[in-house]
Amino acid sequence: AQSVTQLGSHVSVSEGALVLLRCNYSSSVPPYLFWYVQYPNQGLQLLLKYTSAATLVKGINGFEAEFKKSETSFHLTKPSAHMSDAAEYFCAVSAGSNYQLIWGAGTKLIIKP
Amino acid sequence: EPEVTQTPSHQVTQMGQEVILRCVPISNHLYFYWYRQILGQKVEFLVSFYNNEISEKSEIFDDQFSVERPDGSNFTLKIRSTKLEDSAMYFCASSAGGPGYTFGSGTRLTVV
Repeated sequence: AQSVTQLGSHVSVSEGALVLLRCNYSSSVPPYLFWYVQYPNQGLQLLLKYTSAATLVKGINGFEAEFKKSETSFHLTKPSAHMSDAAEYFCAVSAGSNYQLIWGAGTKLIIKP
Repeated sequence: EPEVTQTPSHQVTQMGQEVILRCVPISNHLYFYWYRQILGQKVEFLVSFYNNEISEKSEIFDDQFSVERPDGSNFTLKIRSTKLEDSAMYFCASSAGGPGYTFGSGTRLTVV
């Protein structure tokens, strides 16, 4: 069975600082992994996805994530935080033949001026 | 960029009433999904739909729930007799196949 753990329900960084949001997964099969972002009162927008090609995946808005099989991790990073990055971020793993998503609990990213 | 459209954005209903949540998936997509997110909790898979039938459903998707693709464009989720615990944000998604899909902006259902 697949599962996702996101460390930290809230992460606070200063504008311009490095953003690091942690995600660890458990999967009995090679996983597909995703990061989604949800801005207040909006839907779920795909940031990036890992589908067994390059282990370093680049996404939208300057975000990237690295798949590390040995650590079962897929942490999301951005070199320099911007105020507009304030949102909730969800890590998810794809399971089953229908590619249903198993979600982490989410991490709310707070950007301090 | 193609979008998944959900209506209404917010629905308030009385306990025991039937509600229908509507979704218009991306036109050339073949796989459709419903997820829900109860306030403060994880996003949860409800059901997937392909080739005019349910392909997979979760334990949450009991007899109170049904899905339908009544025409070539709409994909609906019906809750027959709503309960307070059905209050949540419901997300529709679609894909052309393979991992990862496009989500709609959601319908916030409030059962009172």
